[in-house]
Amino acid sequence: EAGVAQSPRYKIIEKRQSVAFWCNPISGHATLYWYQQILGQGPKLLIQFQNNGVVDDSQLPKDRFSAERLKGVDSTLKIQPAKLEDSAVYLCASSLAGTGVNQFFGPGTRLTVL
Amino acid sequence: GENVEQHPSTLSVQEGDSAVIKCTYSDSASNYFPWYKQELGKRPQLIIDIRSNVGEKKDQRIAVTLNKTAKHFSLHITETQPEDSAVYFCAALKGNSGNTPLVFGKGTRLSVIA
Repeated sequence: EAGVAQSPRYKIIEKRQSVAFWCNPISGHATLYWYQQILGQGPKLLIQFQNNGVVDDSQLPKDRFSAERLKGVDSTLKIQPAKLEDSAVYLCASSLAGTGVNQFFGPGTRLTVL
Repeated sequence: GENVEQHPSTLSVQEGDSAVIKCTYSDSASNYFPWYKQELGKRPQLIIDIRSNVGEKKDQRIAVTLNKTAKHFSLHITETQPEDSAVYFCAALKGNSGNTPLVFGKGTRLSVIA
């Protein structure tokens, strides 16, 4: 079974630039999550999708972050414009059930904002 | 909202000894408690989880215990090996609707010394 795929693996940008991350969940997983993991901390949920609908985006900084999952499969997370404090690993996870259990993570995208 | 505290932040043990990592949570309605292992530069991997209807769960050398009254749960690794060296995260989830996020602790860096 293929795991959660993410790209790119690394990205370096300057502040105020834009960046986009892509995620393809495990086949058949209806629920998709984007997490932000700052160095030395645990992952923090940014947004959760159930199919193509948003379940929870309460911790997404909506003035600069956006995400979509138009066809209910793969997803894109965008940051525009980026700030220095956005430097982190952005992890995508998916689960079969919509209850939040058994989440499987992708390898992450390490973003460095200069 | 839910708050998860994890201790210790770093832990060093001799190969063959046991390691214990403890977490406390604040929301008594939380009912799902997973543990993730994250090796350097890699994705978090689910290693064991427990639901609130049981007090202990074992899988070979790892076990998790849950005390609902005290609102704490612990990860126990016996006969530690160098490959157990990683950062371990606990997490807590409330409810069955999927409308609440998985909240992670800050992680414990375990070093197993050969």
